[in-house]
Order: sequence, then C-alpha cells, then structure tokens
Amino acid sequence: AQSVTQLDSHVSVSEGTPVLLRCNYSSSYSPSLFWYVQHPNKGLQLLLKYTSAATLVKGINGFEAEFKKSETSFHLTKPSAHMSDAAEYFCVVSNTGNQFYFGTGTSLTVIP
Amino acid sequence: DTGVSQNPRHKITKRGQNVTFRCDPISEHNRLYWYRQTLGQGPEFLTYFQNEAQLEKSRLLSDRFSAERPKGSFSTLEIQRTEQGDSAMYLCASSLGTPDQPQHFGDGTRLSIL
Repeated sequence: AQSVTQLDSHVSVSEGTPVLLRCNYSSSYSPSLFWYVQHPNKGLQLLLKYTSAATLVKGINGFEAEFKKSETSFHLTKPSAHMSDAAEYFCVVSNTGNQFYFGTGTSLTVIP
Repeated sequence: DTGVSQNPRHKITKRGQNVTFRCDPISEHNRLYWYRQTLGQGPEFLTYFQNEAQLEKSRLLSDRFSAERPKGSFSTLEIQRTEQGDSAMYLCASSLGTPDQPQHFGDGTRLSIL
C-alpha cells in the first residue's frame, strides 16, 4: 500500500527566509516521489521528481528535496522564500506509474 | 509541447442537469487521468486510461459518472443528474506511463452546482 503524509497543513515564513515543507511516504516498493505546486484556480505544476537516482533532487524556482529512505521522508526546501512562492504544495508517491497518491497539501504563506 | 488543455474552465449548472468536460492531453502521452479536487484537499483519483482503454476506476466514480477516450487522444468526463456534492475542480493529467515519468496537469474545470 502507498500513502503520503504532509505533516503541516499550513506553513508561514517571512520573505527571504528558508522554506521547509515536510512529507513522509509509505510504499511497498522503491517509490517515485514528486512535489507539485498549485496556484489558485490553476492546475498542478511539477517542481521536482525523485526516481532512484541522486537522493538530493533539484527542481525549478530554487526548490530542492532530499530522499531519505531510512526516514521515509522527502522534504521540500528552498533557501530563501519569495512572495511568488505562496501557493499550495503537494507531495506525491507512485511505484508503478499506474496510480499517483497525493498528500493533503501544505499551504505556504510568505510574509513580506 | 502545448500542455494539457481542459474545457470549459468553468461550468455552472442546475442540480439534475448533465455536464460534459473535455481534456486534450500532451500528444505523445498514452496515459490520461481524471481527478476531482475539493476545496482544501488534494486531488482524488477518479479513473485513468492507457490509450483508449479505461484501466481503473475509483469507487468515487459512481454510475452517474462516465469517462471515455475513444481514439486514445482526447477524453471526456460526463456527469449525469448532477448533485450538489459534485461541485469541485475536475483535473485532467497525462503522462508517458512509466514509473519515473510525472503527470502533467491541465488547469482544470471548476464545476458549480446551483
């Protein structure tokens, strides 16, 4: 069985400070993991993906995530938040490419 | 790559009416997915196609819901006898169908039931 837990439903940071959005997964097999961002009334945009290559994955807009098998985690980070980063973020797991399992999302607020 | 296109963007209808949404995936993608997303929640899987074959349906997909992908290209999602609880964003995504390939999403169709 596969599932994703996003540990924080809301995160608030000041502009220019680091961002940490936490994700833990459960998977019976070696998973593929993804982070997506969703701005209001828009579809989901892929930020980055992990597919059993390098454990530290770099994505768009300065985001990166580290796959830690021992902790079953795939946390999303960014060194310095920008106002445009305010959005909903989803962690997603898949192991076959047939189905994708979404977390419940983390809403990121960036304070000027 | 023109991306995944969904039409209409918004649909307002009265309870009991039928509605149909269309999704045009990225042309070389053989997998097409439909999701439903309600406010404050992540997308919930409804169904997916491999080319024209519908391979899996969620139990969320009641008998009022039907999806087709007749030629393995665009897809339609129809909801018959709409109910208040059908109000949601309906998202379409496509992919190449291998485990390492992500899904690419359209901007969704927002359905509002009066």
